[in-house]
Amino acid sequence: EVQLVQSGAEVKKPGESLKISCKGSGYSFTSYWIGWVRQMPGKGLEWMGIIYPGDSDTRYSPSFQGQVTISADKSISTAYLQWSSLKASDTAMYYCATPYGGYGYFDYWGQGTLVTVSS
Amino acid sequence: DIQMTQSPSSLSASVGDRVTITCQASQDISNYLNWYQQKPGKAPKLLIYDASNLETGVPSRFSGSGSGTDFTFTISSLQPEDIATYYCQQYDNLPIFTFGPGTKVDIK
Repeated sequence: EVQLVQSGAEVKKPGESLKISCKGSGYSFTSYWIGWVRQMPGKGLEWMGIIYPGDSDTRYSPSFQGQVTISADKSISTAYLQWSSLKASDTAMYYCATPYGGYGYFDYWGQGTLVTVSS
Repeated sequence: DIQMTQSPSSLSASVGDRVTITCQASQDISNYLNWYQQKPGKAPKLLIYDASNLETGVPSRFSGSGSGTDFTFTISSLQPEDIATYYCQQYDNLPIFTFGPGTKVDIK
């Protein structure tokens, strides 16, 4: 069974760094893209970027380019989303998702990681 | 970049009503359009892929149609468990994706 399990909720202060994770299981982790989606409180879904763990090919939405870094460690089937300096506006739920069943749709999702940034 | 719009942004309907949501792309995306349902506090769930294909296990009251720039998502008979926000998502230029702004559906 395909599963994506994300790391737990985080509470951080502005300016701090953070790396959240998404561990894949039940499939060939290196053969499928994994994307990240942001959902700010009470708002819609925003596609942030995506990585192909097999060769670390990474693409970003223009809105998030330079704001976050997406990476993957294929040895432990885990993708990451990281910030070097958090802002209050980074407060959101973050989901990872994979287009396992096809190229263009996300059919498997993680449970979400809530990131709260507050002084 | 391809922009997606959805209408309406919210709607209220009665149980048993037919509900229709539209999604428009800023340029031709063929049939590269998917629909998701998101219930409060839950991750999104894929309902329709490639504009009109029903994901396995999804009730047949959900359907999608369209191609090019204009797409429609329909719930043929609204059920109480369908209360959610629905999003369209395009993938014309893989691996780049864009979500629409969402349509919130509730019961009148």
